[in-house]
Amino acid sequence: ETGVTQTPRHLVMGMTNKKSLKCEQHLGHNAMYWYKQSAKKPLELMFVYNFKEQTENNSVPSRFSPECPNSSHLFLHLHTLQPEDSALYLCASSQDWGVGGRTETQYFGPGTRLLVL
Amino acid sequence: AQTVTQSQPEMSVQEAETVTLSCTYDTSESDYYLFWYKQPPSRQMILVIRQEAYKQQNATENRFSVNFQKAAKSFSLKISDSQLGDAAMYFCAYSPPAGTASKLTFGTGTRLQVTL
Repeated sequence: ETGVTQTPRHLVMGMTNKKSLKCEQHLGHNAMYWYKQSAKKPLELMFVYNFKEQTENNSVPSRFSPECPNSSHLFLHLHTLQPEDSALYLCASSQDWGVGGRTETQYFGPGTRLLVL
Repeated sequence: AQTVTQSQPEMSVQEAETVTLSCTYDTSESDYYLFWYKQPPSRQMILVIRQEAYKQQNATENRFSVNFQKAAKSFSLKISDSQLGDAAMYFCAYSPPAGTASKLTFGTGTRLQVTL
């Protein structure tokens, strides 16, 4: 248990559905991240939020829409996804987003396994 | 752009034996951070060990240690006295220098099997 939780753990959705992934961290961190993990590919950073502000969007398609209402919660809203979006989506958090002359360790949640039909 | 390469897709080790997982990376920076993460079948990515490039001493955490060769840009993980619970995917990751964005670049992972 790393102090980062994700719900749901599994999700099956059609291409016309709208769903949301939720991440919550109980570590008092200020930065939160979304990653995509596909088979046989390195983890891909999607979004970064620091103090609720989006600081990084790694050229992610607009069918993925993040939301960070506070430093403890992060959402990923999904709509009109494609089958190639099927993957494990991981949330992570760190103390902050590389400020103060220190690179912070990221702590990961268990992930949401997404299947798009 | 930084790249991280893990050339061993799968490794196997007998219980109580020692295994070394390889990782090489490419960067033009002189100061940076390297990590090994473990992802068991439960899927939760867990930090195993962290190394700051400016530190010459190799990091150790109980049965886990690294062999950091900065000139060769190599960062291998040694697991001693392997246990069944060590079976997992292991990811090597690179992070830019302190003061810049904490963007992790991951390798493709090495699946470690532990046999009796």
